[in-house]
Amino acid sequence: DAGVIQSPRHEVTEMGQEVTLRCKPISGHDYLFWYRQTMMRGLELLIYFNNNVPIDDSGMPEDRFSAKMPNASFSTLKIQPSEPRDSAVYFCASSFSERLSTDTQYFGPGTRLTVL
Amino acid sequence: GIQVEQSPPDLILQEGANSTLRCNFSDSVNNLQWFHQNPWGQLINLFYIPSGTKQNGRLSATTVATERYSLLYISSSQTTDSGVYFCAVARYGGFKTIFGAGTRLFVKA
Repeated sequence: DAGVIQSPRHEVTEMGQEVTLRCKPISGHDYLFWYRQTMMRGLELLIYFNNNVPIDDSGMPEDRFSAKMPNASFSTLKIQPSEPRDSAVYFCASSFSERLSTDTQYFGPGTRLTVL
Repeated sequence: GIQVEQSPPDLILQEGANSTLRCNFSDSVNNLQWFHQNPWGQLINLFYIPSGTKQNGRLSATTVATERYSLLYISSSQTTDSGVYFCAVARYGGFKTIFGAGTRLFVKA
């Protein structure tokens, strides 16, 4: 299996621009998680999906952030408009629910976002 | 919300030494994981261990759920063990995962 795939790996944009981050979970996994990692706040869960349905989005920082999962093999995290404080590494992770009690989350390589 | 505290925050070891990393959590959990973030930023799962003991090569982990802590043991450390070790938990009834601040490990050759 290719593992969790994220794109782009690096993104540099200017304040006010729209940013879209993409994630392809491991085939067959039915849980998908979006995290953000910063020096100040560490790793934070933003939102997670089960069977393409958002279950908990309490970690989404504000309305500028939105996430979708139109099908089992694709999810997006969008920031509009972006701000310099959104600069961070964004990770996507997936897991298989029937094994969630005995298994763990598998992380993608992350997208390093820099907002100038 | 649930609090996760990891100690020590930083650790420097000579290659070949053993170490113990600790994770304390403030409430009952049904999900506890240990991850290693390597110097290139990749997060790698080590253990899923809400209770009991598991071993994988030079690494082992023990969680005492009733006392709300978990320990990660690294034996015969190697330079490739360097990086940050995270403990992550989720409470009963959901999978909202909370990460600790991590233990940064550097193993000297």
